[in-house]
Amino acid sequence: AQSVTQPDIHITVSEGASLELRCNYSYGATPYLFWYVQSPGQGLQLLLKYFSGDTLVQGIKGFEAEFKRSQSSFNLRKPSVHWSDAAEYFCAVGAWDGQNFVFGPGTRLSVLP
Amino acid sequence: DSGVTQTPKHLITATGQRVTLRCSPRSGDLSVYWYQQSLDQGLQFLIQYYNGEERAKGNILERFSAQQFPDLHSELNLSSLELGDSALYFCASRADSYNEQFFGPGTRLTVL
Repeated sequence: AQSVTQPDIHITVSEGASLELRCNYSYGATPYLFWYVQSPGQGLQLLLKYFSGDTLVQGIKGFEAEFKRSQSSFNLRKPSVHWSDAAEYFCAVGAWDGQNFVFGPGTRLSVLP
Repeated sequence: DSGVTQTPKHLITATGQRVTLRCSPRSGDLSVYWYQQSLDQGLQFLIQYYNGEERAKGNILERFSAQQFPDLHSELNLSSLELGDSALYFCASRADSYNEQFFGPGTRLTVL
């Protein structure tokens, strides 16, 4: 069965510090991977996605993620965090046709001034 | 703005009641997904429709049902409501040529 784990429930970083959010997946077919962000009281917004090709993908708001097939991981990174990045981050995996879409439990990011 | 709209934004009702949540997908998107987000269960996939037909089912209770209409908007019907049904309900839509889903702002349901 497909699953997504995000080992860190809550992470706190200082503004300007670097960030890495972890995501591991288990998927029976070729995984299509996504990171979404949810600000309080808002819907989910797509940060970036990986389908194939270059394993380092760039997204919006200065985020990037690296796909590592050998580790079944798709970690999200940002070199310098801004206070406005405080939100909940969800990793997700799905099939090419949009089926079997599974979200991880989310990681809540707090940013200290 | 994702282009997906959901109404109402907030809904407060009593146990045992029935409510209908509405979703309008992005223009041209044939797929609509419904999710429930609660503190203890996280983001749970409920059901997917594609061009009016049910495509996939997730953890949807028998008290819940959904449909997608010819104009592609979708409705999620929740009946015999219980306190535990209080949650955020999201709709998402997807175009055939892409794999990502675009989420609406959600409907916050409170059952008292």
